[in-house]
Amino acid sequence: QKEVEQNSGPLSVPEGAIASLNCTYSDRGSQSFFWYRQYSGKSPELIMSIYSNGDKEDGRFTAQLNKASQYVSLLIRDSQPSDSATYLCAVNNSGGNKLVFGAGTILRVKS
Amino acid sequence: EAGVAQSPRYKIIEKRQSVAFWCNPISGHATLYWYQQILGQGPKLLIQFQNNGVVDDSQLPKDRFSAERLKGVDSTLKIQPAKLEDSAVYLCASSSAGTGYSPLHFGNGTRLTVT
Repeated sequence: QKEVEQNSGPLSVPEGAIASLNCTYSDRGSQSFFWYRQYSGKSPELIMSIYSNGDKEDGRFTAQLNKASQYVSLLIRDSQPSDSATYLCAVNNSGGNKLVFGAGTILRVKS
Repeated sequence: EAGVAQSPRYKIIEKRQSVAFWCNPISGHATLYWYQQILGQGPKLLIQFQNNGVVDDSQLPKDRFSAERLKGVDSTLKIQPAKLEDSAVYLCASSSAGTGYSPLHFGNGTRLTVT
């Protein structure tokens, strides 16, 4: 079992729709969770962090965390073509000193 | 605030040759990371430094890869000898503390092609 799993996609959504990206992790003791966005040929950039169960909203982005189910998701409302990128889920291990990335989900927003 | 600086941006070498990458983190960031990202995969941690000490190098192929962070500031990653499977983007990142609650700031990366 991979430490952090994501559906590779591509996930295609029309402009203005809600994009839903999912991630599961294996280390039950993980405490910190991050979503990074990576445009083609560019480096990852942090868009959301979440540490507690529930929802965290920042503009058009909402991160959702369910530690019991070992599941974290990212919702993008009113999707724009500029949101087309690979979204990487990253989880801090229970030791607190190692950040593990998933393989990423490719999102394509069609105008 | 200046970002994480990396050089070179691109490098093409033949297998069995050696190569070195350089990284200068954001000023004041104590933690520095080297990640390897193969096309279509997520970044994989090679080595993590806290100041000039190694925190984690469990996934560093030590028979061919080496890294150092002298004086707790900039860092170099070396591959000798390179193999075809080392073709990847090498990302340097830094954070103000450990990975628990401090976000990583990535440099632009070095794209290595081994022929």
